[in-house]
Amino acid sequence: DTAVSQTPKYLVTQMGNDKSIKCEQNLGHDTMYWYKQDSKKFLKIMFSYNNKELIINETVPNRFSPKSPDKAHLNLHINSLELGDSAVYFCASSQTTGGMNTEAFFGQGTRLTVV
Amino acid sequence: KQEVTQIPAALSVPEGENLVLNCSFTDSAIYNLQWFRQDPGKGLTSLLLIQSSQREQTSGRLNASLDKSSGRSTLYIAASQPGDSATYLCAVLLDSTLGRLYFGRGTQLTVWP
Repeated sequence: DTAVSQTPKYLVTQMGNDKSIKCEQNLGHDTMYWYKQDSKKFLKIMFSYNNKELIINETVPNRFSPKSPDKAHLNLHINSLELGDSAVYFCASSQTTGGMNTEAFFGQGTRLTVV
Repeated sequence: KQEVTQIPAALSVPEGENLVLNCSFTDSAIYNLQWFRQDPGKGLTSLLLIQSSQREQTSGRLNASLDKSSGRSTLYIAASQPGDSATYLCAVLLDSTLGRLYFGRGTQLTVWP
């Protein structure tokens, strides 16, 4: 019973294509995130959504567009893929309101390779 | 801006050794600190969460301590095993309402039989 699940796990695509990564959490958390892990394994936040509202939007090219249809889902759509977009993308969730435990949980990652 | 540093970057030890992994952060006004484990090709597994008001947390052979005023945390692994081989990541939370984590670059641990 996976807490945070994202699909696909691997994605190989050509430059210029458009692709989407999907994420779902069953923890009842109110906030979801996208993190990018670069080739040097450094994790950095891209976006966060709280109850379907965009809260954090880091300096990310506007070719990246997150969408949250409900608070349990956060998808990432990438237009016009470039070689430099190759990385591992992690979805995560946590509870940020109500003074509750804010422990973050991560998905298994999507390894995107642009060729 | 919060910067998180982990030392050492890599560690290779024989099994049975007790280990200390270090994490330091520049902004001591943290809400909590979380230690994760990442296995190759897999996601992040949360190991321990320490609230800013706590000094340490324990789970099995793992013990994490927090010295918020000096901006340091250590992860202690007792009696290491080959199955402990992974990358260990430290992350700090500054603002609980944003939930944004600032990560270190990790310590890659190899425990050999």
